[in-house]
Amino acid sequence: AQSVTQLGSHVSVSEGALVLLRCNYSSSVPPYLFWYVQYPNQGLQLLLKYTSAATLVKGINGFEAEFKKSETSFHLTKPSAHMSDAAEYFCAVRASGSARQLTFGSGTQLTVLP
Amino acid sequence: DTGVSQNPRHKITKRGQNVTFRCDPISEHNRLYWYRQTLGQGPEFLTYFQNEAQLEKSRLLSDRFSAERPKGSFSTLEIQRTEQGDSAMYLCASSTPGLGGTGELFFGEGSRLTVL
Repeated sequence: AQSVTQLGSHVSVSEGALVLLRCNYSSSVPPYLFWYVQYPNQGLQLLLKYTSAATLVKGINGFEAEFKKSETSFHLTKPSAHMSDAAEYFCAVRASGSARQLTFGSGTQLTVLP
Repeated sequence: DTGVSQNPRHKITKRGQNVTFRCDPISEHNRLYWYRQTLGQGPEFLTYFQNEAQLEKSRLLSDRFSAERPKGSFSTLEIQRTEQGDSAMYLCASSTPGLGGTGELFFGEGSRLTVL
């Protein structure tokens, strides 16, 4: 079985500051990992995904994440926060080679302060 | 627009009534998923289809819930005898075929249900 834990349900940063959203996973087989973003009253949009290629993954809107097997982590970062980054962010995991569904974390609400 | 389409976007109903949501996936996607999301939580898996076959159902999917995908294209999710605890956002997603796929899900904007 797979699961993800997102540390910190709310994160606040100042505009221009580093964004760091934490995700740890548990998986009995090599995982595929994803970060999604959700704006109010909208569906989820994929930011980036790790599928066992490069461990540093670059996504849209300047976000990136690094897969660290030794730490079972897949933290999301962005060097400089923008007001438009304010949203809820979800980490998700799926077992590689499986047709099954993604398992999501409980989400981190990012607030960007002016 | 060739994304995942869901309707209605909002539904307000009284307890005990039946409701039905529809999802139209991206046309070339043969996998279709339903998730439920409550306030402050991540999406929780309900069920998924490969073509018209319903291959997996979560224990969250009580017998009041039924999902169909009759021709392997659009899907419906029906909730019978709604309860206030059913109030949530119901999300539909689709994905590309093949077990070798990376499993990226493409989500619709969701159908928000409020049960009074």
